[in-house]
Amino acid sequence: DARVTQTPRHKVTEMGQEVTMRCQPILGHNTVFWYRQTMMQGLELLAYFRNRAPLDDSGMPKDRFSAEMPDATLATLKIQPSEPRDSAVYFCASGLVPTGNSPLHFGNGTRLTVT
Amino acid sequence: RKEVEQDPGPFNVPEGATVAFNCTYSNSASQSFFWYRQDCRKEPKLLMSVYSSGNEDGRFTAQLNRASQYISLLIRDSKLSDSATYLCVVNRRNTPLVFGKGTRLSVIA
Repeated sequence: DARVTQTPRHKVTEMGQEVTMRCQPILGHNTVFWYRQTMMQGLELLAYFRNRAPLDDSGMPKDRFSAEMPDATLATLKIQPSEPRDSAVYFCASGLVPTGNSPLHFGNGTRLTVT
Repeated sequence: RKEVEQDPGPFNVPEGATVAFNCTYSNSASQSFFWYRQDCRKEPKLLMSVYSSGNEDGRFTAQLNRASQYISLLIRDSKLSDSATYLCVVNRRNTPLVFGKGTRLSVIA
């Protein structure tokens, strides 16, 4: 059963440190999303790619967050420098366009704690 | 105003009860609608799509009212295993899914 793979599962870091989260989408999926989930805000879209091209990253704080897709099997989300308010669960998801016709598959998430 | 709004709950119901969740969306251009389920400390997973004519999957019934811009999910004969957060999701053509914050359900023995 194909799955989206995210690493690490958990990350605890100090304020100011760089954090890199990785995602391996399901082979053949052409769209990759990064979402952040907190109790207060729910699931928020940070960025997404279609055929590896960034389409929208307006949900990300540009000064500290960056998202890339160096190849079809890897998507990364970096935070530099990290802040306590970045503490959340970060989900990567992949799917096929049009999204109305196929489900979005989520990874297990990276639970980030910034102290 | 959030694009997708849900009652956060929690809904605490006994086993065997029928429970209904509603969700409203603000963008009339929304075309596709879904319910996702998220277990505690897990990722969201698709529960069912919502079609204009309404659709049923076992104990679950989803309905869409485009005129009033709301979506509903009905769960009959609740099981303990139905305890989870139910996320209402809408989509406009070629745009990412927009998730509600979810409604938490606890089914009690």
